[in-house]
This record gives sequence, C-alpha cells and structure tokens, in this order.
Amino acid sequence: QVQLVESGGGVVQPGRSLRLSCAASGFTFSGYAMHWVRQAPGKGLEWVAIISHDETNKYYADSVKGRFTISRDNSKNTLYLQMNNLRGEDTAVYYCAREGYISGWWFFDYWGQGTLVTVSS
Amino acid sequence: SSELTQDPAVSVALGQTVRITCQGDSLRSYSASWYQQKPGQAPILVIYGDNNRPSGIPDRFSGSSSGNTASLTITGAQAEDESDYYCNSRDSNRHHPFGDGTKLTVL
Repeated sequence: QVQLVESGGGVVQPGRSLRLSCAASGFTFSGYAMHWVRQAPGKGLEWVAIISHDETNKYYADSVKGRFTISRDNSKNTLYLQMNNLRGEDTAVYYCAREGYISGWWFFDYWGQGTLVTVSS
Repeated sequence: SSELTQDPAVSVALGQTVRITCQGDSLRSYSASWYQQKPGQAPILVIYGDNNRPSGIPDRFSGSSSGNTASLTITGAQAEDESDYYCNSRDSNRHHPFGDGTKLTVL
C-alpha cells in the first residue's frame, strides 16, 4: 500500500534552516510528481511546492519562493523540502502528497501524516 | 487569502442534503478536487476531476462544476461527515491553491 512518512520537523529559531524529508513506499516513486502542503495551527491548507517526477520542473507558492527548495532522490524514494530563512508564519504541519493525474485532472491522492515545524525564539 | 473562495461554515440536519461551493477563475479551465479533513488528521481525497469518487468514498458524496463554480454535495449527511472540506485546483502557473475551507456541522 502507498505510504508517505514525513520527518525532520521540530523547533527552530527565526532565520535558521530546516530540511524535511518524506519517505515514499508502495508505489513507483519516480513516476509521480510530488507536493508539499502545509497547515498553520487552526488554519486551512496551503499549497507550498511541486516537483515533477524527474525533478526537471519545480514551482513554489509566492509565500516561500526564494526561501524554500523542493527536491527529490528517486534512488532513495525520498522527497525533500529545504527551508531557509524561516519565519514565524512558516510554523505549520507540513504534509507531503502524491499527485494523481488522469486525463487532464490533477489531484492529491495520497498524503502523509505530517511533521510539525515550529519557528520560535 | 485564497484564489478559491468557499463559505467558512455550513450546517445540515442529519440525513439531509448539503452543498458546499468553491468559486474561482481557475475553475473555468481546470477541474476541482475536494478533500475532507478531521481534526488532527491528514486530508483525504473525496472527489477528483470535478465529479469522480476514489474507491472507498461513499456514494453519498458527489461533485459538479459549472463555469467558475465547483460544488461538493453530500446526499443524506451522516454524523461522521462533520469535517472541514477544502477545494483545490491547479492554475496556469502550475500552482495548486486551496480554498479557505468550509466547516461542515451535522445537526
């Protein structure tokens, strides 16, 4: 069965960096685009970034562009999110999600359980 | 704020029908998907491609879309349907913004 397991969250000071990982199993990881989605405490879902299956294309939400970098290692079935210059507003649960695609329909068909990032001094 | 607009809260009597809507320009070009999220849990896909249900999702969940508006309908709402619901669609920049979410209360 498809499994996505995030790790790497924790408490970090403003301005510092953190790298999140998402270990994938149960499917051919190299065949799917992957996303990061976050959710601040008590708030809604916010899309963060997408990476294509072969890492050739990456897109970011305006709120993180220039500070966050999405990457993947298909040999390790792992997705990453490098977060630099962190701010208080980056405090959130970060989810990785697999992109499903059928005939011009895009959607998130599997989600991890999330990892909490708290940015605080 | 989101490029997709949802009502913040909707309520429905047990066993009745409720519609949750999502408005946005991107919906004229791209299909909507819908996600159910209960407190402390990851979201679950309930509708994709405007009106398709993944396996395991009850058939009381359905979707539709017209113009710039997508809708999620629950026919015969159950107590376990009380959740937050989010719409999503990609845009021309390959971004995938979510709606702000709708909190559904089953009375």
